[in-house]
Amino acid sequence: GQQLNQSPQSMFIQEGEDVSMNCTSSSIFNTWLWYKQEPGEGPVLLIALYKAGELTSNGRLTAQFGITRKDSFLNISASIPSDVGIYFCAGHYNTDKLIFGTGTRLQVFP
Amino acid sequence: NAGVMQNPRHLVRRRGQEARLRCSPMKGHSHVYWYRQLPEEGLKFMVYLQKENIIDESGMPKERFSAEFPKEGPSILRIQQVVRGDSAAYFCASSQSPLGAGANVLTFGAGSRLTVL
Repeated sequence: GQQLNQSPQSMFIQEGEDVSMNCTSSSIFNTWLWYKQEPGEGPVLLIALYKAGELTSNGRLTAQFGITRKDSFLNISASIPSDVGIYFCAGHYNTDKLIFGTGTRLQVFP
Repeated sequence: NAGVMQNPRHLVRRRGQEARLRCSPMKGHSHVYWYRQLPEEGLKFMVYLQKENIIDESGMPKERFSAEFPKEGPSILRIQQVVRGDSAAYFCASSQSPLGAGANVLTFGAGSRLTVL
């Protein structure tokens, strides 16, 4: 079945630093999504990408849909303590299933 | 406009008991999806339902697990004779139209955390 490899698994950074994480798929997607999950909560949608090459921003977050349609990255600029959480990529290709990555755990130190 | 509502938020069961998890989708959403998240892992698809119909249950274990979405009331994920390996967070998501055929994003609830002793 489809697999999403997400890296890095975890990141420990200082407040103010920029963060970059990415996701690669074994097959093509036509939608890439990035979610954030905080402890004890469900995933919350951050950014949705619908076209190959698309670059979309949401505040300090920027994500891109890779040209090959098999990868995506998420950047967070000038990190702050409330950015702490687990970031998941997810994608689908004309199916009823969202496939999730394994997550990147982000820890921000003041 | 309430989001996806799940209850209970936490459920403790002993081995062999039954667990029932409920999900009320967002207003106007008739498509419900259940996902399971084991500790330290991502979310795994279990089942997709539209009102009164199971559309895709390819992610559901063959035994002990069942799901329904009746005409009236919430969607129910039922786990019979729970075992320790069923301990996980179970998330419900909803969409206004089928994923991949109109809708491209899912809105998730806060989850129900099942602990089996």
